[in-house]
Amino acid sequence: EAAVTQSPRNKVAVTGGKVTLSCNQTNNHNNMYWYRQDTGHGLRLIHYSYGAGSTEKGDIPDGYKASRPSQENFSLILELATPSQTSVYFCASGTGGNQDTQYFGPGTRLLVL
Amino acid sequence: GDSVTQTEGPVTLSEGTSLTVNCSYETKQYPTLFWYVQYPGEGPQLLFKVPKANEKGSNRGFEATYNKEATSFHLQKASVQESDSAVYYCALDQGGRALIFGTGTTVSVSP
Repeated sequence: EAAVTQSPRNKVAVTGGKVTLSCNQTNNHNNMYWYRQDTGHGLRLIHYSYGAGSTEKGDIPDGYKASRPSQENFSLILELATPSQTSVYFCASGTGGNQDTQYFGPGTRLLVL
Repeated sequence: GDSVTQTEGPVTLSEGTSLTVNCSYETKQYPTLFWYVQYPGEGPQLLFKVPKANEKGSNRGFEATYNKEATSFHLQKASVQESDSAVYYCALDQGGRALIFGTGTTVSVSP
């Protein structure tokens, strides 16, 4: 029973279209994160949240919005998708604070044509 | 700002040989240091973490020592197996904000 799940696992979108990536966690963690993974860049933080109703900008937020409607769910929204947003996206959850271990989902592979 | 630099890959090894993945970091804080491992088709998972300088972490035969003076946290394993083929990420925390990851090192072990 995976604690962090993501949907969809694969997505093909068109340039200019709207894309929503969803994440659900059953860890009851306060913090949730969205990263993208690209060769040569590793994992880069897009948005994060400290709890329901909270969203914060990470290191590369441009072109992305986030929504945290509940403790369990955290979405990443691409209002106008561009080919440069083709990537693998990972959601993670954690308790927050020092020494926090983050638990990652399996990832969503997004291709924007 | 905070940063993490690690060995550029790919690193290709034969089973039974030793592995070292270098990691160095920059920060003005006193971070916890992490090694994460990512197997094909999966998300990263914690290998181990070390919260204090001069302490060693270890798991599954891997180990790393938090060297505050040298600002390093090199990952080592004495004898690798094919199942160790994965991407390895060094990371540091930002006091609860999020983790700063290195670019990852792909390790391929041939039988």
